[in-house]
Amino acid sequence: NAGVTQTPKFQVLKTGQSMTLQCAQDMNHEYMSWYRQDPGMGLRLIHYSVGAGITDQGEVPNGYNVSRSTTEDFPLRLLSAAPSQTSVYFCASSYSGAGQETQYFGPGTRLLVL
Amino acid sequence: EDQVTQSPEALRLQEGESSSLNCSYTVSGLRGLFWYRQDPGKGPEFLFTLYSAGEEKEKERLKATLTKKESFLHITAPKPEDSATYLCAVTHSGYSTLTFGKGTMLLVSP
Repeated sequence: NAGVTQTPKFQVLKTGQSMTLQCAQDMNHEYMSWYRQDPGMGLRLIHYSVGAGITDQGEVPNGYNVSRSTTEDFPLRLLSAAPSQTSVYFCASSYSGAGQETQYFGPGTRLLVL
Repeated sequence: EDQVTQSPEALRLQEGESSSLNCSYTVSGLRGLFWYRQDPGKGPEFLFTLYSAGEEKEKERLKATLTKKESFLHITAPKPEDSATYLCAVTHSGYSTLTFGKGTMLLVSP
């Protein structure tokens, strides 16, 4: 199993550009989520999904859009990038989303918005 | 509102010098407390899950314990390869939305 994979590893955007961060998992996990990690702020939840076709907002959803058309993939879209979205983005997944399950993280995407 | 506070923010140890990292939490209906290790430039790597007060888990030089208000990650005779940031997170009743602390950066010098 590849586990949780994320692409790209690193991206530079200009303010106002759009892009999609890709996340895929091959563990047949129903629950997937996106976090951002900023210095001094810790990891914060952006959006999550409990299964194909079902998504919900986390702590910091503004400026981000998600959809879940398959169990394997959970892309994160930035419609109009802003410098405040410069961060490291992590995708995570777990089997069913029950609160006692371990979540497994991808390697991250480092985004710089100029 | 769930809160997770980790201390200290940074810790420098000599190889073989044992110590503990603290994670205090305020959450209604704790479902699980998770410890992760994060190396620079990488994603968090799962270490332990604790579910109820009094529970303990061990892995090599690491031992995690849980009370009703806090968790400790004890590091016994650390080695330089234990240098990393250690993250604590909790989930409460409902889905697996993790609330993270800001982490403790551990540096073990040879």
